[in-house]
Amino acid sequence: DVVMTQTPLSLSVTPGQPATISCKSSQSLLQSDGKTYLFWYLQKPGQPPQLLIYEVSNRFSGVPDRFSGSGSGTDFTLKVSRVEAEDVGVYYCMQSIRLPITFGQGTRLEIK
Amino acid sequence: EVQLLESGGDLVQPGGSLRLSCAASGFTFSSYAMSWVRQAPGEGLEWVSSITGSATSTYYADSVKGRFTISRDNSKNTLYLQMNSLRAEDTALYYCAKVRYAGSLGMDVWGQGTTVTVSS
Repeated sequence: DVVMTQTPLSLSVTPGQPATISCKSSQSLLQSDGKTYLFWYLQKPGQPPQLLIYEVSNRFSGVPDRFSGSGSGTDFTLKVSRVEAEDVGVYYCMQSIRLPITFGQGTRLEIK
Repeated sequence: EVQLLESGGDLVQPGGSLRLSCAASGFTFSSYAMSWVRQAPGEGLEWVSSITGSATSTYYADSVKGRFTISRDNSKNTLYLQMNSLRAEDTALYYCAKVRYAGSLGMDVWGQGTTVTVSS
């Protein structure tokens, strides 16, 4: 199985400050079609996960531009340029290049 | 607007069976693969199963293979998960999710979930 490792597992951020989450995969997520199947989700308290970023760096519909994704191969990063109160929750990375689909452990973001 | 509404979750004894349903609306259901993902209490996300739009291919996590069956009825815009031989470790909130496009199994829209509790 492809192991997804997120760091840190928790972070506390002052509103208006940036936040960065790292996700490393145990195998390359680059597919033969040239796409990299790395996704980022946010699960707000009491809600289902919502898609933020697909294929490393593409923001899903309605996602604010303060969220950005980058990376390649096995190393990926989610950045929130200016954290807002509504960004609290658990962030997950996920790979879908190889079955079983696997998720990172999750990174809990809280507001200072 | 894409909407997914799960139902069928319940309290069931170990060894019992349950069928979950997911009613979809707001998109051409038959054109999209669908998935089930679960979340045990206080835990992270675990992919359970996926099915292609035409139902020609199905995929399962090893933890449920041979016990769970994913299916769909495109005439009813409904996804199902038949769960047999349930175990305590199957206790979780079960989400259905729409796959973004057939090239990958990455999910874009998720339902609110339905709770399955396996306990005597």
